[in-house]
Amino acid sequence: NFMLTQPHSVSGSPGKTVTISCTRSSGSIASNYVQWYQQRPGGSPTTVIYDNNQRVSGVPDRFSGSIDSSSNSASLIISGLKTEDEADYYCQSYDTTGWVFGGGTKLAVL
Amino acid sequence: QVQLVESGGGVVQPGRSLRLSCVASGFTFNSFAIHWVRQSPGKGLEWLTVIAFDATNKFYADSVKGRFTVSRDNSKNTVYLEMNRLRADDTGVYYCARDMGEGSGWSPAVAYWGQGTLVTVSS
Repeated sequence: NFMLTQPHSVSGSPGKTVTISCTRSSGSIASNYVQWYQQRPGGSPTTVIYDNNQRVSGVPDRFSGSIDSSSNSASLIISGLKTEDEADYYCQSYDTTGWVFGGGTKLAVL
Repeated sequence: QVQLVESGGGVVQPGRSLRLSCVASGFTFNSFAIHWVRQSPGKGLEWLTVIAFDATNKFYADSVKGRFTVSRDNSKNTVYLEMNRLRADDTGVYYCARDMGEGSGWSPAVAYWGQGTLVTVSS
């Protein structure tokens, strides 16, 4: 099995851009799609990005996803930060043994 | 709209069993796989299991294999998670979630999540 490592926290000011990374410990990041989930305080997770870079219907285009094989990592990029973006964000991928979630990143909009 | 409502959580002693239910509405239930994901207190997400749209295929995380059993009743738009030999580290909020893709098998992502049901394993 493999692990997905995320920074514990990131922060940004309203209107700015932040990037949340997700590094795969073994195996290629490109070999299995990466998803991103948002969980606001006290709420259930919601799906933001699937298949590396596909936005779920209704998710603003301020949210985008990408992968980088050179660093074996995926990224969630949030531009034009809003206070409502303050939440925990989790990346997720999979292999033949099942799904793996990253540990989550707390985004603070200061 | 799509809704997933979990129930059946509560306080249970170690070693005992519990059955969770997930009732779905707002979509063609018998066309989608359903996943269960849990979240331990203050911790991250952990995928547990998935059941195909017609229940012919199921897949479990190693952490619950042999103790948890997933099933579904398409006539009742309901998925069940039977949890046996519960341990303290099974404590958490249990979410059911609808797969992203329609049809056979399951996709790498989920599209909709329920509100979760809390399971506390404690003596």
